[in-house]
Amino acid sequence: EAGVTQFPSHSVIEKGQTVTLRCDPISGHDNLYWYRRVMGKEIKFLLHFVKESKQDESGMPNNRFLAERTGGTYSTLKVQPAELEDSGVYFCASSQERQGMNEKLFFGSGTQLSVL
Amino acid sequence: GESVGLHLPTLSVQEGDNSIINCAYSNSASDYFIWYKQESGKGPQFIIDIRSNMDKRQGQRVTVLLNKTVKHLSLQIAATQPGDSAVYFCAENYIDKDSGGGADGLTFGKGTHLIIQP
Repeated sequence: EAGVTQFPSHSVIEKGQTVTLRCDPISGHDNLYWYRRVMGKEIKFLLHFVKESKQDESGMPNNRFLAERTGGTYSTLKVQPAELEDSGVYFCASSQERQGMNEKLFFGSGTQLSVL
Repeated sequence: GESVGLHLPTLSVQEGDNSIINCAYSNSASDYFIWYKQESGKGPQFIIDIRSNMDKRQGQRVTVLLNKTVKHLSLQIAATQPGDSAVYFCAENYIDKDSGGGADGLTFGKGTHLIIQP
């Protein structure tokens, strides 16, 4: 069974440009999460989808970030326009059960975003 | 991939020795705890979890201990192997007693870089 896949693995862009990250969760997983780790800091929650609906987007830093999950399958996270402080590793995770109910999150390998 | 070990507390142990990684949490409402292992270039991988109604849980070569009085969590790895070298993160969540669900996002600790010396 394929795990959570993320694309691209690395992205280097200039300040002001737009970048779109993609996440393909494990097939059948309704729950999809985006997390971010800025260098040297903790992994921080960004948002949570249940199927195509945003369950919680309280962790999104600002309105330059837009996440979608059309059709409830893969998800995209767009940053527009990118700023220097957006640099970091963006992780996607998926799960079948609701978090906190013996749920295991399966993480992708992340997208390393560098904004220059 | 990400250089996961930079700017993190580091624990160096000899191969074959036991290692203990510690984590302090601050939210007294947290009642579900997880340890993740992250190898370079990969995402966090689930190791073991524990609920607050327990103070100890054992897996294969790993044991998690929970001390709710002092809000402390530890991960013990027995007979460490080279493949155990990674960054280890603790994470916490709470379980809503009405719905049975948890908060949407896990709260992660800073991580500890475990280095296994040959």
